[in-house]
Amino acid sequence: SQTIHQWPATLVQPVGSPLSLECTVEGTSNPNLYWYRQAAGRGLQLLFYSVGIGQISSEVPQNLSASRPQDRQFILSSKKLLLSDSGFYLCASGTSGSGDTGELFFGEGSRLTVL
Amino acid sequence: GQNIDQPTEMTATEGAIVQINCTYQTSGFNGLFWYQQHAGEAPTFLSYNVLDGLEEKGRFSSFLSRSKGYSYLLLKELQMKDSASYLCAVIDSNYQLIWGAGTKLIIKP
Repeated sequence: SQTIHQWPATLVQPVGSPLSLECTVEGTSNPNLYWYRQAAGRGLQLLFYSVGIGQISSEVPQNLSASRPQDRQFILSSKKLLLSDSGFYLCASGTSGSGDTGELFFGEGSRLTVL
Repeated sequence: GQNIDQPTEMTATEGAIVQINCTYQTSGFNGLFWYQQHAGEAPTFLSYNVLDGLEEKGRFSSFLSRSKGYSYLLLKELQMKDSASYLCAVIDSNYQLIWGAGTKLIIKP
């Protein structure tokens, strides 16, 4: 099965500072990769997904961006954080398409607090 | 629009049985997941249903009725460690995952 490494686990940043969250995947090749944000008491909000190197789809317009420089590396960034960016960020890896369950494997999560 | 509904919170007693319901309205259907998420941790996979009926896996079972847009997760012989949020998610016709907000399950001794 896949293993997802995500870091840092906890981050406290001032408003206007930059952000970089990194995720790497082991145990598979050419996965679909996802960044989710989870606000307290709410469902998972899909931010970005990627089906291959350099291919990024954005689901929600915002001041965040994502990049996939390598097959099993996915990075979430921001040039200037907003208070509303606080939340629990989850990287996930999976496959999709007919005949596949599409199960997602999640990283440990990164809790971001913007002050 | 696409929508997944599940109760916000449920309470049950240790050793008892609890059923968590999920109803969905999505553009197409390619499967339904249940995930467990302990507070402050990432979700972990519990079950996957794509055909109607009951899937049993130890103390946990998941049921699906595609015609009714309905699923439930059944937890038997509840243990304190089952206190967590349970997330329902549906794969739509574009193979995108649509997530419910989750049901927080509180287990009392």
